[in-house]
Amino acid sequence: QVQLVESGGDLVNLGGSLRLSCEASGFTFSHFYMNWVRQSPGKGLECLAYISSSSLTIYYADSVKGRFTISRDNAKNSLYLQMNSLRAEDTAVYYCARGDGDNYPDYWGQGTLVTVSS
Amino acid sequence: QSVLTQPPSASGTPGQSVSISCSGVRSNIGNKNVYWYQQFPGTAPKLLISRNDQRRSGVPERFSGSKSGNSASLAISGLQSEDEATYFCAAWDTGLGATVFGGGTKLTVL
Repeated sequence: QVQLVESGGDLVNLGGSLRLSCEASGFTFSHFYMNWVRQSPGKGLECLAYISSSSLTIYYADSVKGRFTISRDNAKNSLYLQMNSLRAEDTAVYYCARGDGDNYPDYWGQGTLVTVSS
Repeated sequence: QSVLTQPPSASGTPGQSVSISCSGVRSNIGNKNVYWYQQFPGTAPKLLISRNDQRRSGVPERFSGSKSGNSASLAISGLQSEDEATYFCAAWDTGLGATVFGGGTKLTVL
């Protein structure tokens, strides 16, 4: 069965950095787009970034462009999100999600909590 | 403030039918498929309905989706206590080039 397991969430200071990881299993990782979606009480669900199977297509939401970097390692079945210059409004639960044929999220990980503290 | 608009809450008694609306614009719902997700507190969203009206494997027939113009609806018939959850709609937005979501509707089974 499809499994996505995020890790790396933590309490970090304003302006700090964090790297999230997502380990995938149960499907051919290299065939699918992958997404990072966050959920915060103030802004609901937000698709932050996605990356195509070959890493040739990458998208960032305006809210994280220039600060976050999405990447993947198909040999390790892993997705990453490097987060720099963290702000208070980045506090949220971060989910990795597999994209279906139309790149809508179909399977989600359990989420990892990022708290940015001043 | 989410791109797609949903009512923040809905309610019904066991056995009743409820409908949750989701409205957008031409660049998202108007031209693209709508997906529906169910989320229980402390857990990840789970995909219920894909491509407007396609139930995922294992989802009870009580759940159905529909779309018309720039709006979509999730209908739940024969409401059960275990249906108490938050429901989100989603659609691809051609302007943004990404999936956008509704703010979620918290369904209470009275």
